[in-house]
Amino acid sequence: DIQMTQSPSSLSASVGDRVTITCRASQSVSSYLNWYQQKPGKAPHLLIYDATNLQRGVPSRFSGSGFGTDFTLTISSLQPEDFATYYCQQTYTLVTFGPGTKVDIK
Amino acid sequence: QITLKESGPIVVKPSQTLTLTCTFSGFSLTTTGVGVGWIRQPPGKALEWLAGYYWDDDRRYSPTLKSRLTVTKDTSRNQVVLTMTNVGPADTATYYCARDESLGKYWFDRWGQGTLVTVSS
Repeated sequence: DIQMTQSPSSLSASVGDRVTITCRASQSVSSYLNWYQQKPGKAPHLLIYDATNLQRGVPSRFSGSGFGTDFTLTISSLQPEDFATYYCQQTYTLVTFGPGTKVDIK
Repeated sequence: QITLKESGPIVVKPSQTLTLTCTFSGFSLTTTGVGVGWIRQPPGKALEWLAGYYWDDDRRYSPTLKSRLTVTKDTSRNQVVLTMTNVGPADTATYYCARDESLGKYWFDRWGQGTLVTVSS
């Protein structure tokens, strides 16, 4: 099984900050890495697919990078609606989600 | 408009079988590349993929739960049904169904609202 880790597990940030979340796979997943945002009590929302592709309708302040085992999700200028938990997901071998990174208000 | 909605019991007793139904609209499971997946989330914990049913009638399962899961479809009703046998307290979770239109790449672009299932005697 491919294991996913995320760092940090949580972070506090202010509106306007640049935020970077890291996801690491236990073995190469090529570019089969996706990112989701989840707000409390709501279903996850797809942000980035195939490591770097912005899903339709997602603001351009979100971006993804990486290949192989190391990936990042960057929010260029944090907005009030971005406070949420973010999950990475590998789909190279079936599906594994990361443990999540909670972004809250400083 | 694309919608998905999960339905099923709120409480299930330990050792029983859990049956959940995903009713969807706005897309077809006969369209090449389309699937419906099931994902769950225990309270306060991370997401866990369970299974998926695909346009070519392929069914895919989490290796850790494969022996307990069955996924079927009812095309006429636009439904995908997940069955989980021998449930226990660790199966208490919010269960989501979601559309996968990624030609089997497992990224989910539309989700249901989720349904919380509690396993308790």
